[in-house]
Amino acid sequence: GAVVSQHPSRVICKSGTSVKIECRSLDFQATTMFWYRQFPKQSLMLMATSNEGSKATYEQGVEKDKFLINHASLTLSTLTVTSAHPEDSSFYICSARGLEALNTDTQYFGPGTRLTVL
Amino acid sequence: QKEVEQDPGPLSVPEGAIVSLNCTYSNSAFQYFMWYRQYSRKGPELLMYTYSSGNKEDGRFTAQVDKSSKYISLFIRDSQPSDSATYLCAMKAGGGNKLTFGTGTQLKVEL
Repeated sequence: GAVVSQHPSRVICKSGTSVKIECRSLDFQATTMFWYRQFPKQSLMLMATSNEGSKATYEQGVEKDKFLINHASLTLSTLTVTSAHPEDSSFYICSARGLEALNTDTQYFGPGTRLTVL
Repeated sequence: QKEVEQDPGPLSVPEGAIVSLNCTYSNSAFQYFMWYRQYSRKGPELLMYTYSSGNKEDGRFTAQVDKSSKYISLFIRDSQPSDSATYLCAMKAGGGNKLTFGTGTQLKVEL
């Protein structure tokens, strides 16, 4: 089946530093990748949608200068949290959708990255 | 009011029980309905995908959509301890990318 990996699985950083999270589709080409944030006991909230080779589309209220998304290839997207602050601590999950899923909404999710900002 | 409402639980049932999980929604534009299962510290896994009203069955799982009532359900028959997880409903309007998720219901199936 379609596998999506994320790295790192867990990161702890100091306030003011930047953190990069990678999302990879391992056995399929992901034309579209999505980045979500999940706070404890809350829904997954879509942050942005990225298509390979083009700029990401951010949801309302998500700062594009703070959450930099790059989707440089069909198997890799990165999310960089710049100048992270404690309120950015959350569970970040990516998902990927490939060409075979154009007519469905089959998004394959990664295992998530737990970010803790001290 | 949230677009999608889901009882967070936790819901605890004995092994072999029939489990009923539900979501209500307010956006009449939603046409595609999904159920995901999420184990602790893992990403969500798609269980069921349905379009518009009706029932869909896959093994022990049955998804039901009632658009007139804006209500969707997931039934799990002969529940197993391995079904213990958080179940998230998600839905999407036609022609867009964005999935709107419920908060998830935590299910525990006990021996």
